[in-house]
Amino acid sequence: GQNIDQPTEMTATEGAIVQINCTYQTSGFNGLFWYQQHAGEAPTFLSYNVLDGLEEKGRFSSFLSRSKGYSYLLLKELQMKDSASYLCAVMDSNYQLIWGAGTKLIIKP
Amino acid sequence: GAVVSQHPSWVICKSGTSVKIECRSLDFQATTMFWYRQFPKQSLMLMATSNEGSKATYEQGVEKDKFLINHASLTLSTLTVTSAHPEDSSFYICSARVGGALETQYFGPGTRLLVL
Repeated sequence: GQNIDQPTEMTATEGAIVQINCTYQTSGFNGLFWYQQHAGEAPTFLSYNVLDGLEEKGRFSSFLSRSKGYSYLLLKELQMKDSASYLCAVMDSNYQLIWGAGTKLIIKP
Repeated sequence: GAVVSQHPSWVICKSGTSVKIECRSLDFQATTMFWYRQFPKQSLMLMATSNEGSKATYEQGVEKDKFLINHASLTLSTLTVTSAHPEDSSFYICSARVGGALETQYFGPGTRLLVL
């Protein structure tokens, strides 16, 4: 079966750095997405990785290792507004997005 | 960036009534639109995929006669929840894709449905 694993919840301090991991087992791979979802709102797109390596976009970076079925989202200089759920999603060989359950990130002052 | 709107944002209705939710791509033509459902503290669950001018493809376990999807144009898709029941209460989110299968999906703001 297809499976996306990410931690249920993480806590970090304002100004610090946090890494949210995602491991996956899917039938085929056409890229990995990270989305941010604030409570009661729809997800917003953060990043897309299809090749191995690190993609940096401002305070957020996303890393992919296809051989390990592993990705992480790195958030630097954390702000209170970064408190949200972070969803990892993999596009499989049928171009369907397989969603993880999301990681709830709590930022403390 | 691509903007997707949904209307209404909130719906409260009586059991047995039908509810229509609209999803529009405002500044692009969406070849494909997706409808998701999300229960509290759970991940997104894909309900169906619709391409303009053709019938929607429903995921296993989703009743196509209960959740009617119409994708009449490249900028509009509608989801009608027919004969709604309390267990249909959920957060319904549409997304639209610009171009081919590898393109990013952009999400609408979601519609929260409460069936009494």
